[in-house]
Amino acid sequence: GAVVSQHPSRVICKSGTSVKIECRSLDFQATTMFWYRQFPKQSLMLMATSNEGSKATYEQGVEKDKFLINHASLTLSTLTVTSAHPEDSSFYICSATTSRISEQYFGPGTRLTVT
Amino acid sequence: AQSVTQLGSHVSVSEGALVLLRCNYSSSVPPYLFWYVQYPNQGLQLLLKYTSAATLVKGINGFEAEFKKSETSFHLTKPSAHMSDAAEYFCAVSLVKAAGNKLTFGGGTRVLVKP
Repeated sequence: GAVVSQHPSRVICKSGTSVKIECRSLDFQATTMFWYRQFPKQSLMLMATSNEGSKATYEQGVEKDKFLINHASLTLSTLTVTSAHPEDSSFYICSATTSRISEQYFGPGTRLTVT
Repeated sequence: AQSVTQLGSHVSVSEGALVLLRCNYSSSVPPYLFWYVQYPNQGLQLLLKYTSAATLVKGINGFEAEFKKSETSFHLTKPSAHMSDAAEYFCAVSLVKAAGNKLTFGGGTRVLVKP
């Protein structure tokens, strides 16, 4: 089946630094990748939609300059949290899909802790 | 625009008892509907999906769901709960013709299984 990986699974960074999270589709070419944020005991909130080779589309209220998304290839999308602050601490989950299928495949998530 | 409502943020069932998780949706066009399960600190795993074929959908781990257009519902059931079913469950909807299969999630239902 379709497998999506994320790296790292956990990261701790200091306030003011930037951190990059990778999302890879391992056995299929993902034309579209999504980035979600999940706070404890809450649902997933879509942050942005990323299409290969084009700029990401951000949801309302998500700062595009703070959460930089790059989808440079059909198997890799990255999320960079710039100038991270403690309130950015969260669980970040990516998913991937193609135009030929009717579902998204989710990565295992990345736990970001900003100290 | 579409939306999803999951009735009950927490459900407690006894091992061996029926599991019933409620999901109602709102969509202006025929939807695709999904149920996902999430274990602690992990990504989402697809349990089952409805994509306009049979209204009774069977998924993994003994779960099934029935699409009822007249009630705009897609409730998830399992005849006999197992301890391993303790997790968070999310119902989600996407528009049939939505570019990139954008998902809207319900708030989630946490299932506790009592021995």
